[in-house]
Amino acid sequence: RKEVEQDPGPFNVPEGATVAFNCTYSNSASQSFFWYRQDCRKEPKLLMSVYSSGNEDGRFTAQLNRASQYISLLIRDSKLSDSATYLCVVNNLNFGNEKLTFGTGTRLTIIP
Amino acid sequence: DAGVTQSPTHLIKTRGQHVTLRCSPISGHKSVSWYQQVLGQGPQFIFQYYEKEERGRGNFPDRFSARQFPNYSSELNVNALLLGDSALYLCASSLVRDTDYEQYFGPGTRLTVT
Repeated sequence: RKEVEQDPGPFNVPEGATVAFNCTYSNSASQSFFWYRQDCRKEPKLLMSVYSSGNEDGRFTAQLNRASQYISLLIRDSKLSDSATYLCVVNNLNFGNEKLTFGTGTRLTIIP
Repeated sequence: DAGVTQSPTHLIKTRGQHVTLRCSPISGHKSVSWYQQVLGQGPQFIFQYYEKEERGRGNFPDRFSARQFPNYSSELNVNALLLGDSALYLCASSLVRDTDYEQYFGPGTRLTVT
């Protein structure tokens, strides 16, 4: 089983719609969770951290369910500029090494 | 302020050759991590360096090595290149070692092995 699993998509969504991405992780000891955004042929950039209580940043809402080892990202009122690949990222601590583990990414295209 | 910089931007090498990739972190950042991103996949962790010492290593063969210099810049070296080493190599810097802190990625070096 992969450490971090995401639906690779692609998701093709009309402008203004709401879209949700899901991600599962295998290591129950994982400590921190993030969503990164990566535009085509660019570097990943942090979109938001994910907290147990859930957190919201404008049109974006992230949720964490530790019991189910599940992370989600909701984008409301989607814009053309939201087209990108969304990477689910988990911080794992193994044998004293901390490392970020990335999912394969979910590709989103917003259609005018 | 300048972000994370990497050089070169693109590189073409032949199987069996050696390559050195370079990274300069954001000023004041002491932690540098290296990632390999193959097309269609997420970045895979290779190394983390903090205060010039290796603090983390991913599941990569010994052909991959790295170091961090006193000015916190870093080099990633790959020996005996294989076709499968073709990828985007990303460097990320953060203020401290703790990966809870945001990691800022450079634009990457795109390596093609022929």
